[in-house]
Amino acid sequence: YELIQPPSVSVSPGQTAGITCSGENLGNKYVCWYQQKPGLSPVLIIYQDNKRPSGIPERFSGSNSANTATLTISGTQAMDEADYYCQAWDSTILRVVFGGGTKLTVL
Amino acid sequence: EVQLVESGGGLVQPGRSLRLSCAASGFTFDDYAMHWVRLGPGKGLEWVSGISWNSGNIGYGDSVKGRFTISRDNAKSSLYLQMNSLRVEDTALYYCARDAGRIVGIRTDFDFWGQGILVTVSS
Repeated sequence: YELIQPPSVSVSPGQTAGITCSGENLGNKYVCWYQQKPGLSPVLIIYQDNKRPSGIPERFSGSNSANTATLTISGTQAMDEADYYCQAWDSTILRVVFGGGTKLTVL
Repeated sequence: EVQLVESGGGLVQPGRSLRLSCAASGFTFDDYAMHWVRLGPGKGLEWVSGISWNSGNIGYGDSVKGRFTISRDNAKSSLYLQMNSLRVEDTALYYCARDAGRIVGIRTDFDFWGQGILVTVSS
């Protein structure tokens, strides 16, 4: 099972960024998202498609339908520049699967 | 405060073995499944292995299956990864991560991560 993400996304400060994650029938699985900044460990920012852990800003939101999950960052800030990974559990092969990651550039 | 501290990494020759450890604190260890995830140089995150709270469910990524073995000692709040027949492509930063659930495959979102430990496989 494969999760496909765009390698890079660019956004201007204050604008809305969308990062997609595609997989066969992905809408039937729970998707979560991680943010990873250089030299730091990944941070869970969205779980179960659209839930935010405590402490994660409201500007981060998620959705998942059909074959695509989307991470949306509203009012993007310079501090949001990072790598973002989607992740799902494939129950048919009993594996955790990560997307290839998307580098978000805020410029 | 939840803490996950990895140890046991280092430089090792291809074909040799290494054992990673992850010491957990700040939470009830046997209430959670645990995982190993790695980040190779210039690569993305890759799931290595996961183990349920009671070691009843265990899974491995395709690239390590048959070579790596995950285990846990709930009495010591510790997670382990025995890595055998190491290959150059196993070179990576290895993270210990806590599952939000008790059983691998039920939640499988990782709510806490360690700082990572570097494993370098080279001759």
